[in-house]
Amino acid sequence: DAGVIQSPRHEVTEMGQEVTLRCKPISGHDYLFWYRQTMMRGLELLIYFNNNVPIDDSGMPEDRFSAKMPNASFSTLKIQPSEPRDSAVYFCASSLKGQGARNTIYFGEGSWLTVV
Amino acid sequence: KNQVEQSPQSLIILEGKNCTLQCNYTVSPFSNLRWYKQDTGRGPVSLTIMTFSENTKSNGRYTATLDADTKQSSLHITASQLSDSASYICVVSSGGSYIPTFGRGTSLIVHP
Repeated sequence: DAGVIQSPRHEVTEMGQEVTLRCKPISGHDYLFWYRQTMMRGLELLIYFNNNVPIDDSGMPEDRFSAKMPNASFSTLKIQPSEPRDSAVYFCASSLKGQGARNTIYFGEGSWLTVV
Repeated sequence: KNQVEQSPQSLIILEGKNCTLQCNYTVSPFSNLRWYKQDTGRGPVSLTIMTFSENTKSNGRYTATLDADTKQSSLHITASQLSDSASYICVVSSGGSYIPTFGRGTSLIVHP
């Protein structure tokens, strides 16, 4: 299995530009999660989907952030407009039954975003 | 407020030595506790998952313990190797929601 695939791995963009991060979950997984990791705040859950439907987006920092999952094999996290404080590593993860059950969550390698 | 506190923040040990990392939580109601290993520049990888009824779970040289009464968990690493150098993150999920609470992690460095 190829695991969770994220792109781009690294992105440097100017403040005000739109950023789109992409994720392909593990085939067959019905939960997809977007996380953000910074030195100051550690790992934070931004939003998660079940069967392509957003279930909880309470972790999304503000309206500049949006996430979509048009089908079972693809999701995007978009930041528009981007700001320097959005600089972080963004992880996508997937699992079979979410985080409440005794199941493993598989993380991608992350997208390293720098907004200058 | 749900919180997960990990200690120490960082740890340096010599190769071959054992070490123990601590995790205290206030998450309620408790569903499960996970330990992740995160290598530099990589995504977290699950080491163990423990539920309320489990006291100990092993994964190779890694052994996690859970005391649900005191709301404490530990991760013991036996005969450390250079490849154990990583950040170890404790994550606790509440039975009331799927939103996990993350610890800030313990950074472990194993020196030859």
